Amino acid sequence: DAGITQSPRHKVTETGTPVTLRCHQTENHRYMYWYRQDPGHGLRLIHYSYGVKDTDKGEVSDGYSVSRSKTEDFLLTLESATSSQTSVYFCAGSGTGEAGELFFGEGSRLTVL
Amino acid sequence: GENVEQHPSTLSVQEGDSAVIKCTYSDSASNYFPWYKQELGKGPQLIIDIRSNVGEKKDQRIAVTLNKTAKHFSLHITETQPEDSAVYFCAASKGAGGTSYGKLTFGQGTILTVHP
Repeated sequence: DAGITQSPRHKVTETGTPVTLRCHQTENHRYMYWYRQDPGHGLRLIHYSYGVKDTDKGEVSDGYSVSRSKTEDFLLTLESATSSQTSVYFCAGSGTGEAGELFFGEGSRLTVL
Repeated sequence: GENVEQHPSTLSVQEGDSAVIKCTYSDSASNYFPWYKQELGKGPQLIIDIRSNVGEKKDQRIAVTLNKTAKHFSLHITETQPEDSAVYFCAASKGAGGTSYGKLTFGQGTILTVHP
């Protein structure tokens, strides 16, 4: 969905460095989510937000934090990246469209060396 | 927590054939079951969903069936076309408004290849 853009789309970093992935939406989605996608695991929920400054943990939240200071932006931060966090990260929004439908961004591929 | 198992992991069919992908879930409280299609280099996109008060739902060439007793649901694609080639994911959640629908547990994915 062109209404959700992620940046950067690709990033290579070293173990121990901080990383922030940004999700920007123009669709006025009330609810937003960060998922990671790994082979053999499908997508797994990291954190989600149910409003500005309201966030909660998902299934695989260890090592990640999020912030949402305004409706449009949802940031995912890896305080100290590890090789196990090498993955493709997807941001998604919901709250418009049919109840339940998630609208995904195009993903951010992160490689931690 | 919920666990969703998806089979097969890869599926190869000839154009015009049918394709069936099956998923099982573990939490009987799950009540919302969407299917997402992911094309190469893109994010997943919802193609069809079903709620636990319905046994079957159809949208043109795509149908989903749900068996709550057995805790499994399936995606059926008829008259497959090369553009159906993609990765398909099933998912489950305990939808009750707000963020609950979007807190999905996904299956592992099925790579569908439709040969012309």
